[in-house]
Amino acid sequence: DVKVTQSSRYLVKRTGEKVFLECVQDMDHENMFWYRQDPGLGLRLIYFSYDVKMKEKGDIPEGYSVSREKKERFSLILESASTNQTSMYLCASRFRGNTEAFFGQGTRLTVV
Amino acid sequence: GENVEQHPSTLSVQEGDSAVIKCTYSDSASNYFPWYKQELGKRPQLIIDIRSNVGEKKDQRIAVTLNKTAKHFSLHITETQPEDSAVYFCAASTHQTGANNLFFGTGTRLTVIP
Repeated sequence: DVKVTQSSRYLVKRTGEKVFLECVQDMDHENMFWYRQDPGLGLRLIYFSYDVKMKEKGDIPEGYSVSREKKERFSLILESASTNQTSMYLCASRFRGNTEAFFGQGTRLTVV
Repeated sequence: GENVEQHPSTLSVQEGDSAVIKCTYSDSASNYFPWYKQELGKRPQLIIDIRSNVGEKKDQRIAVTLNKTAKHFSLHITETQPEDSAVYFCAASTHQTGANNLFFGTGTRLTVIP
């Protein structure tokens, strides 16, 4: 059974703080994704990684960075959190090629 | 990158009726089109997918059609049941060496009225 685990379900941070969202998968997937989910806007891609240390910007990378030092772990970093980054963040992973993507349970981040 | 548009944003149907959700995509290189269902408070899960060499695929009450020329694909749910109520997302993906990005539509909230 595939497991994609996000480190926190709920997170409250202050404006200006550096925030780390962690995602770990146990299926040896090459591809990992970070999405942001907002009502009416669907799942918007922030960053994508297709291998260790490899990353590509998605549609809305501004204000975010990522790190993939190990194959199983993909971190999303908010360098200086702002209130407009309050959202649900979803991590996903899948094998190379067009295969099923598996999602984490999501992290609801509130920036105050 | 790829641009996936999805309609309608909300859809209400009577139990037993059919529901259709439509998506269009912009990148002609896209060749894989999955559909995900997200129930309230849960993570999205794959319900059906279709590849570009196939025009239609069916799995019990769910079917997906693909028109590559027009760059659109649709989800059809027949004999809807209350447990079909959820948000549905379409997505498009291209197969490039090493990088398989996955872009989603904006979602359709389906409500099945008992």
